[in-house]
Amino acid sequence: QKEVEQNSGPLSVPEGAIASLNCTYSDRGSQSFFWYRQYSGKSPELIMFIYSNGDKEDGRFTAQLNKASQYVSLLIRDSQPSDSATYLCAVQPSGNTPLVFGKGTRLSVIA
Amino acid sequence: DAGVIQSPRHEVTEMGQEVTLRCKPISGHDYLFWYRQTMMRGLELLIYFNNNVPIDDSGMPEDRFSAKMPNASFSTLKIQPSEPRDSAVYFCASSFTSPGDEQFFGPGTRLTVL
Repeated sequence: QKEVEQNSGPLSVPEGAIASLNCTYSDRGSQSFFWYRQYSGKSPELIMFIYSNGDKEDGRFTAQLNKASQYVSLLIRDSQPSDSATYLCAVQPSGNTPLVFGKGTRLSVIA
Repeated sequence: DAGVIQSPRHEVTEMGQEVTLRCKPISGHDYLFWYRQTMMRGLELLIYFNNNVPIDDSGMPEDRFSAKMPNASFSTLKIQPSEPRDSAVYFCASSFTSPGDEQFFGPGTRLTVL
């Protein structure tokens, strides 16, 4: 069973702070890692992907991947109330297989 | 492109009725996925297609669920007969050339079975 685990939250952070969202996965051969954002009542939308160990930055968002620890994280700097949403981690396991999604972490940014 | 299109956006039906959900993937995408999302179970993959051919339907919960993709631009998910526990949001998604590529999601169909 290939699993992706996330803390369900809610994670509450004050406006302007750094929000740190974490994800672990069970398949050591996993290849690609994605972070989706889902606003309440809406569909998931991709915000970042990462394939290699290390950090990848895009604006206020940084994805971090540590394959040895089977751990991927998303940092949101200068958090805004508009960042309040559920963040889904998705992992492509080894082989030509679909993404496996975590259940998501609900983030609440307090103004 | 208009993105992934789903219809209807909302469906309310009574237990025992047949429900058909529809999806039009992004043109040129080879893969189509059907998901169900609930608070308890999160996003569950029900079935996915490659070039209109079903590849893995192991996520389909029961024989009451069936899915077809008669051509590259249309897919249906049918529940017959529907039950209250089928109430959920059903998403269709598509990806370009690999099941591990970025998936683009449709707006979803919120199904309520009374």
